[in-house]
Amino acid sequence: GQNIDQPTEMTATEGAIVQINCTYQTSGFNGLFWYQQHAGEAPTFLSYNVLDGLEEKGRFSSFLSRSKGYSYLLLKELQMKDSASYLCAVLDSNYQLIWGAGTKLIIKP
Amino acid sequence: TAGITQAPTSQILAAGRSMTLRCTQDMRHNAMYWYRQDLGLGLRLIHYSNTAGTTGKGEVPDGYSVSRANTDDFPLTLASAVPSQTSVYFCASSDSTGGEGTGELFFGEGSRLTVL
Repeated sequence: GQNIDQPTEMTATEGAIVQINCTYQTSGFNGLFWYQQHAGEAPTFLSYNVLDGLEEKGRFSSFLSRSKGYSYLLLKELQMKDSASYLCAVLDSNYQLIWGAGTKLIIKP
Repeated sequence: TAGITQAPTSQILAAGRSMTLRCTQDMRHNAMYWYRQDLGLGLRLIHYSNTAGTTGKGEVPDGYSVSRANTDDFPLTLASAVPSQTSVYFCASSDSTGGEGTGELFFGEGSRLTVL
C-alpha cells in the first residue's frame, strides 16, 4: 500500500528552527508537495520538490531524498503565525496525490 | 480576487437528507477537485474534473456525485447523507490538467458538514 508518515504534533519556540519530517512509500514518484494549513482554514501551497536537494524560499526550505523516500520542511526564525498544520503530499506514478495526515506545529513564546 | 468560494460554511444535516455543497472559482482554472478531511487522516479525493463537461472518481466517491456544466462551478451532492459523511469538505482548483498534483492546488475555505 501507499503510505505517507509525518509526526502528529511538534512544539517549538518562537525565533528557533524546526524540521518537520515526511517519509513516504508510494508506487512511483513524480514529486512531493508541502502545504500549510492554519486551523479552520484552507491549505496553501508552500513548496514542490521533484529532484534531490534543498529548495529554499525565504524562511522556509524543503529537502528531498528520493533514494531514502524522505523529505523535510525546515522553518527558520519561527514566528507565532507559523503555528499551523503542515501537510506532506506525494505525486505517485499515476499522477495521483497521496496525502499525509499532517503535522500540527505549536509555537510557544 | 475571490479565488474559490464554497457554500455553505457549515451545515447540520439529518441522515437520509440530500445536500449540495457549492463551489465556484473565478481563476478560469480547468481542473477542479473535491476532498474530504477527517481528523488523523490525510486529504482524500472524492471526485475531480479535468475540464468542463468531464468528471472522474477519486479515492472515496461512494455516496457522492458531481457535475461540471461550466468552468467555474463544481457542485458536490450527497444524495442520501449518512453519519460517516460527517467531515470537512474542501474544493480545490488547478490550472494544470495533467493530473491532480501536476500543478499547485488552490483551496476553498471548506464546508463543515455534520450528519446526525
